[in-house]
Amino acid sequence: DAGVTQSPTHLIKTRGQQVTLRCSPKSGHDTVSWYQQALGQGPQFIFQYYEEEERQRGNFPDRFSGHQFPNYSSELNVNALLLGDSALYLCASSLLSMTAYQETQYFGPGTRLLVL
Amino acid sequence: KQEVTQIPAALSVPEGENLVLNCSFTDSAIYNLQWFRQDPGKGLTSLLLIQSSQREQTSGRLNASLDKSSGRSTLYIAASQPGDSATYLCAALIQGAQKLVFGQGTRLTINP
Repeated sequence: DAGVTQSPTHLIKTRGQQVTLRCSPKSGHDTVSWYQQALGQGPQFIFQYYEEEERQRGNFPDRFSGHQFPNYSSELNVNALLLGDSALYLCASSLLSMTAYQETQYFGPGTRLLVL
Repeated sequence: KQEVTQIPAALSVPEGENLVLNCSFTDSAIYNLQWFRQDPGKGLTSLLLIQSSQREQTSGRLNASLDKSSGRSTLYIAASQPGDSATYLCAALIQGAQKLVFGQGTRLTINP
């Protein structure tokens, strides 16, 4: 059973460009959350998708947007990249049900984005 | 607003020692508290999850405790090994949302 997968593993962009990161959740999971982890910091919640809708959002500008597909996979899009967007972007999957609170979120290996 | 703090930011100990990592949170309205391990440049590996109704969880040489009333959790590592060297993150799953609020992590180095 494949866990959470993310692509690409590394990415280099220049300021002002746009980037799309991809995530496939663990089999059986229906909810995808995205986190940004700057160097030396803990991950920060960006947003969460369930049933193809944004369910929760953290304190990130509208330049950050996402999408969830019918197969539960998800994309994170960042427009007008800034140097400060350089970070490890982590995707986590879970099952949105009453029992979900007893389960951990499963994290992917992340995509490391460098903005020059 | 939930804030999670981890102390110390970095810790270096000789192999074989027992050690404790600390995590504090400001809002006791949590569903659970989780401890993760992160190796350099890698994703997160879940170590232990403590439900809000529980006091502790154990897995091998790891033991995590939770005291909601005081807003504290500890991760105890027994008989540390060089392979335990990593960054350890705690995260609270806040009520009303399914988002994790993370601390900044403790960077642990076990010296042979």
